[in-house]
Amino acid sequence: GNSVTQMEGPVTLSEEAFLTINCTYTATGYPSLFWYVQYPGEGLQLLLKATKADDKGSNKGFEATYRKETTSFHLEKGSVQVSDSAVYFCALPISSGSARQLTFGSGTQLTVLP
Amino acid sequence: DTAVSQTPKYLVTQMGNDKSIKCEQNLGHDTMYWYKQDSKKFLKIMFSYNNKELIINETVPNRFSPKSPDKAHLNLHINSLELGDSAVYFCASSQGAGLGQPQHFGDGTRLSIL
Repeated sequence: GNSVTQMEGPVTLSEEAFLTINCTYTATGYPSLFWYVQYPGEGLQLLLKATKADDKGSNKGFEATYRKETTSFHLEKGSVQVSDSAVYFCALPISSGSARQLTFGSGTQLTVLP
Repeated sequence: DTAVSQTPKYLVTQMGNDKSIKCEQNLGHDTMYWYKQDSKKFLKIMFSYNNKELIINETVPNRFSPKSPDKAHLNLHINSLELGDSAVYFCASSQGAGLGQPQHFGDGTRLSIL
């Protein structure tokens, strides 16, 4: 079945550093892929998505490219800010009969220091 | 105009008690979910309802009982609370349960069992 493996954290960076959070997936077909972000004390928010191979999702300076050759959807940002400190989750849909749900990676805690 | 709202935000109670968490969404979505997030941020789906019909019921103790009075509401009742139930519970919704649909999350209910 579909599954996602996410880079273990935590990750600590200085402001303006380059960020990569790795995510690889196993899937039947080419499902949509998602990155969610969870700021402290809040629920998850959709950060970006890609719906097909070679698509690039982008939002708030973050990018991720759907690469079927390497079954990856790594999250990148060229210059992180303190306000980017959060937990990041990679996700993809799975289905069982008529039911659909998202399966999430284990989450990567990012801390950006001023 | 909160999209997915949960109440209460914090719930502190003693072992053995019965408690309920309420969730409402004003997005017009027809699918709602309950997730449990543990202290390591790992997210596990518990239940999903589509148009008031239960479509996902993961391996969850039968002390947990969801109820959907209409498609905008999904409540979670927990009987005989145990220490291991301490976690953050998130409600989410999506339009349809299709494979490409993102989910919108509430801010969570932080349940602490004394």
